[in-house]
Amino acid sequence: DIQMTQSPSTLSASVGDRVTITCRASQSINTWLAWHQQKPGKAPKLLMYRASTLESGVPSRFSGSGSGTEFTLTISSLQPEDFATYYCQQYNSYSTGLTFGGGTKVEIK
Amino acid sequence: QVQLVESGGGVVQPGRSLRLSCAASGFTFSSYGMHWVRQAPGKGLEWVGVIWHDGSNEYYADSVKGRFTVSRDNSKNTVYLQMNSLRAEDTSVYYCARDWGNGASGAFDMWGQGILVTVSS
Repeated sequence: DIQMTQSPSTLSASVGDRVTITCRASQSINTWLAWHQQKPGKAPKLLMYRASTLESGVPSRFSGSGSGTEFTLTISSLQPEDFATYYCQQYNSYSTGLTFGGGTKVEIK
Repeated sequence: QVQLVESGGGVVQPGRSLRLSCAASGFTFSSYGMHWVRQAPGKGLEWVGVIWHDGSNEYYADSVKGRFTVSRDNSKNTVYLQMNSLRAEDTSVYYCARDWGNGASGAFDMWGQGILVTVSS
């Protein structure tokens, strides 16, 4: 299996802050990486795919980068509705399974 | 309205079986692969399995292989998750999710609201 490691696990920030979340893969996944946002009691929502392509309707303050084993999700100016848990997910190959990172909870400072 | 709605959850004893359903609407169901993903209480997300748009292929996580089966009925716009030999560690909210394409992509572009399955005696 490909292991996905997210850091930090919790992040305290204020409205307007620039926030960066890191996701590392245990082996190369090219750019087969997605980011999902989940709010308490709700289903996840796709933010980004192919590491850096924004899903339709997602605000442009979200951006993604990386390839191979190192990826980042950046929120350029944190808004109140962005306080949530973020998960990276690799979809490199079904032979090694699809896996998620452990999640990063973005809290109000 | 494009949506996925899960049903069939509840409390089940260890060792028993349960079948979840996920009804799709608002899109051409037969063109898309479908996944199941679960989330144990207070924990992260775990992919369970996928079925191709035409039912021709399936893949599963090692943790459920041999116990869980994904199937679909394109005439009813519904995907199923048959869960056998249930264990306490299968207790989770189960989400169905639509594949970006026919199933081969592995990326999910929409999720259902989730349904809780509790395995307990």
